[in-house]
Amino acid sequence: GDSVTQMEGPVTLSEEAFLTINCTYTATGYPSLFWYVQYPGEGLQLLLKATKADDKGSNKGFEATYRKETTSFHLEKGSVQVSDSAVYFCALSESKLVFGQGTRLTINP
Amino acid sequence: ETGVTQTPRHLVMGMTNKKSLKCEQHLGHNAMYWYKQSAKKPLELMFVYNFKEQTENNSVPSRFSPECPNSSHLFLHLHTLQPEDSALYLCASSQGDRPTPGYTFGSGTRLTVV
Repeated sequence: GDSVTQMEGPVTLSEEAFLTINCTYTATGYPSLFWYVQYPGEGLQLLLKATKADDKGSNKGFEATYRKETTSFHLEKGSVQVSDSAVYFCALSESKLVFGQGTRLTINP
Repeated sequence: ETGVTQTPRHLVMGMTNKKSLKCEQHLGHNAMYWYKQSAKKPLELMFVYNFKEQTENNSVPSRFSPECPNSSHLFLHLHTLQPEDSALYLCASSQGDRPTPGYTFGSGTRLTVV
C-alpha cells in the first residue's frame, strides 16, 4: 500500500540555518504530495502541496519539489526562524491522505 | 467562528466512564474525519464520513463510536477505554472525500485515560 517515510527527528538548528527534511514515498499511482505543520498545542495546518511531477510547492519561505524519478518531496527553507519550531508531516494522497511519522524541528536563537 | 472547532481541548477519563468528543466545521465541507495521534506513531485514520455517511472504518475497536448527524458536526463517543487509548484525537474536514485541496484540521482533544 501507499506509504511515506520521513527523516528521523528530532532536528535542532540555529536561527538562520538552512533546513532540509527528507521525505520519500511509495505509491501505486500518481499521488498529490503535501507538507503539514503542527505548532505546539495545535492541529495540523497545510503548509504546501504539489499535485504532479516537477511541481514546486512553496509557502512562508518553505519549498518542496515533487520528484517522481526519486519518489521524493523534500522540504527546504533557506533561513529558519525560532517561530518555525514545530512538527512537520509529509503526506500523500491517492484515494486518502497517508502521513509520515512526523519530524520535530527545534530552532534555537 | 470559522474553521474546525474541537471540544473539549483536554479530557481525563476513567476506564469505566462514558464521554464524547465534539467536532464542528464552518467551512461548508461535506467530508469529515477522525484521526488518532499517539506519541512516536504516524497519524492513524479512524473514521471517514462523506455526506453524513460513514465510508471508512479502519478496524477501530467498538469502544470508539462515531456519529455524524449532519455535514457540519461529528462526534466520537467513548466508553470503557484503555490507557493505551490516551492520545491526541484530531478532527478534519475537506470538500468531498478527495484530499487534493488538503484537509482542514481542528486543534484536537488531548485524551488521558486513567
